[in-house]
Amino acid sequence: SQQGEEDPQALSIQEGENATMNCSYKTSINNLQWYRQNSGRGLVHLILIRSNEREKHSGRLRVTLDTSKKSSSLLITASRAADTASYFCATENTGNQFYFGTGTSLTVIP
Amino acid sequence: DAGVTQSPTHLIKTRGQHVTLRCSPISGHKSVSWYQQVLGQGPQFIFQYYEKEERGRGNFPDRFSARQFPNYSSELNVNALLLGDSALYLCASSEDSHSYEQYFGPGTRLTVT
Repeated sequence: SQQGEEDPQALSIQEGENATMNCSYKTSINNLQWYRQNSGRGLVHLILIRSNEREKHSGRLRVTLDTSKKSSSLLITASRAADTASYFCATENTGNQFYFGTGTSLTVIP
Repeated sequence: DAGVTQSPTHLIKTRGQHVTLRCSPISGHKSVSWYQQVLGQGPQFIFQYYEKEERGRGNFPDRFSARQFPNYSSELNVNALLLGDSALYLCASSEDSHSYEQYFGPGTRLTVT
């Protein structure tokens, strides 16, 4: 089974609002990454946070990591219609295996 | 620089046949990983190769195999295709075998009839 679970499965917000999605995982990790996917094509890497980091920012993105709770969150601030996509968290465990979550489908309404 | 490229873009095969999918990583990247993504689900890890050696393997049957060539390109082979093998197959490259972000290709969509 997949390592990660995203919550919510789907999210619809108005343009300009913030979007928050959460990811939970099961085992010890080296790092956690967030990806974006449009229309079932290739994934685009957004941000990587290492297991010894707690928070990271990149533009309008803010990622947190809580290794004690085995969870991470992705916050997209001031959302735009172009942010509409599926978002996945991915973990690399200590055995060089990569696991993606089930994804959150984000719709930003203009 | 060109990104990760995959070929073919789309193919249709019949149950029982075999298929070979190809991937060229970003120049300078030595690690290639393969994923299977069934419609509506997240990608599932199949293999990771680094410097032509298998570094990681997901929970897939032995019908799935892969290899990496000296130029770091890679092939994924699937034998005895089943209907359930229909999926988007994604290739990702990274600089090293771990702790680096992965760059994904556009994928090969395989349909098994």
